Order: sequence, then structure tokens, then C-alpha cells
Amino acid sequence: EIVLTQSPATLSLSPGERATLSCRANESVGSYLAWYQQKPGQAPRLLIYDAVTRATGIPARFSGSGSGTDFTLSISSLEPEDFAVYYCQQRSNWPPVFPFGPGTKVDIK
Amino acid sequence: QVQLVQSGAEVKKPGASVKVSCKASGYTFTNYDINWVRQAPGQGLEWMGWMNPNSGNTNYAQKFQGRFTITRNTSITTAYMEMSSLGSEDTAVYYCARGQRFCTGGNCYSTWFDYWGQGTLVTASS
Repeated sequence: EIVLTQSPATLSLSPGERATLSCRANESVGSYLAWYQQKPGQAPRLLIYDAVTRATGIPARFSGSGSGTDFTLSISSLEPEDFAVYYCQQRSNWPPVFPFGPGTKVDIK
Repeated sequence: QVQLVQSGAEVKKPGASVKVSCKASGYTFTNYDINWVRQAPGQGLEWMGWMNPNSGNTNYAQKFQGRFTITRNTSITTAYMEMSSLGSEDTAVYYCARGQRFCTGGNCYSTWFDYWGQGTLVTASS
């Protein structure tokens, strides 16, 4: 069973700063990793898929990198609307399983 | 436009059953998969299970095998998550999410969740 861990649990930053979030898998997932953003009271939103590809409508300040077991979500310059919880998710071809990591909360310093 | 509209909040007694619906519109229902995700109060996201609406095939996370059943009615483009023997630990917001598919070499694989329902709060309380 593939388990995802995320660090840090909470990241306290100011608007305009760069955010770097980490997601680690206990075994290789290739590039089968996505990132989602969730704001309070809202459904999650797909940001990045296949480790590096921005989803439709996602601003260029969001970028993903990594492969294998170590992945990073970067936000180049935090906007006020970026303060939220971020989850990574892995997928497998068959059987289809889609576990999430525990999340990283990005809050205002 | 693509929409997933879920049924309203439910309050159930422990031991009861509940069925949450997810009405899809704006796309061909059978061309994309449906997943269900649970979020307990103040907690993270838990993937519960997957369904191919075309075949009706399902797969569940180990934790959700047994008491949870995903079904669909293709004539009304609606997916369902039914939960039985509810306990207080099942109190959560339940989301449906559309899964994209990637096809290669004659095989298709379910991928990422690009549209989500608004969530349904299920409360199990005496």
C-alpha cells in the first residue's frame, strides 16, 4: 500500500513570499501525482496533475515538480487567495485507487 | 458547463442507512468516472471508492469495503453512495468527483478529479 506524507503540516508565510510544499511516497509512484487546493467550506480544486502539469485555469505561479517518491508544489508569490490547505494525491492504473496525503495548511503569518 | 449537484444534508440515527446522490450534467456521463471522497470535521480528504458509470464496475478503499456501496442510474446521469450501519465516525462531508480517463494502447485508466460536487453533510447522531 502506497502511503503519502506531506510536510510541513502548517506553513506560515506572508503574501508575496514563496511557498514550497513537499509530498513524499513510501514507494515510487512515477509521475502519478496530483495536487489539490481546498479552502474552508469549499470542495477541493485540482491544481497540478501528472506531477508537473497545471490544470485548466490554474495561474502560472503554481508549479509542480518531482517524480518517483519526492514531489514539490511551489507557489512563486503568495496571493491572498492562496491561503488554504493543499493535498497531494496518488493514483494507480489498476485497480484504481486514489489515496490522499494528510495535507499542508498554508496560513498567513 | 460541467456540474455535479449533490443531495442535501442528512441527519440519521446510529445504525441507520443513508443514500447520497450526485447528479451529473454538462458532459457525457458514461465517458468519465465517478469517485467519492469523505472529509470528517476538521480532517483531511479520504478517497472512498471509484466507479465506471459505463460498466458499473467499482473499487473501494479497504477501509470502505463492506458498508459502502456506489451505484448509478445512467438514464438520469446520477451516481449514488449508500452507507449502512452508520456510526458517529461516519459524520462527515461526502463529495462526489468526476474522474478523467487516459486511454492508451486500447486500455483506459482513471485519472484525476477535475470536477467536484458541493458536498453533502451526513450527521450520525442519536
